[in-house]
Amino acid sequence: GQQLNQSPQSMFIQEGEDVSMNCTSSSIFNTWLWYKQDPGEGPVLLIALYKAGELTSNGRLTAQFGITRKDSFLNISASIPSDVGIYFCAGGKSNTGKLIFGQGTTLQVKP
Amino acid sequence: DTEVTQTPKHLVMGMTNKKSLKCEQHMGHRAMYWYKQKAKKPPELMFVYSYEKLSINESVPSRFSPECPNSSLLNLHLHALQPEDSALYLCASSQDPGSVEKLFFGSGTQLSVL
Repeated sequence: GQQLNQSPQSMFIQEGEDVSMNCTSSSIFNTWLWYKQDPGEGPVLLIALYKAGELTSNGRLTAQFGITRKDSFLNISASIPSDVGIYFCAGGKSNTGKLIFGQGTTLQVKP
Repeated sequence: DTEVTQTPKHLVMGMTNKKSLKCEQHMGHRAMYWYKQKAKKPPELMFVYSYEKLSINESVPSRFSPECPNSSLLNLHLHALQPEDSALYLCASSQDPGSVEKLFFGSGTQLSVL
């Protein structure tokens, strides 16, 4: 089946550092979504991207929809302890009713 | 309001029990979903309801039985589960069944099968 390659798998950073993670695919997507999940909770939608080349910010978070439509990245600036969690990318294709999820990036922030 | 509400938050059941998970959304979304998620893994799609009709069943065993009583409610009936079915069960909804432009998740039901 289709897969999204999400990297890195995990990150351990110092508070205040910037973070970058990305997802790549061999196929084209119409939508890229980025989620954050805390333990025992459902994923929370952070940013949604709909157009190739689109760059969108949400506070300290910035995400881009790759021009080839096969990739996306998420940046977090000036990380804080509450950024800890698992970040998932997800790609969607029109008229399929399905999202394809990346394997997740586990972020740990040292105060 | 972007809330999807799931109950119960936690559930422990034996392999012979029958239980139900419940999900509710009042955003007027026309698609509702059940996902299963194992620890530190991405969510796996189980079922999709589009306009209250089952549109996708990802080859889920019959011991999981979904039900959509109306456009705001989604249930998942559980019977004769196995220990390997222990997982976080997530409900989600989206405005348009086809495009999945924004998918909103509930907080999940943590299920343990003994």
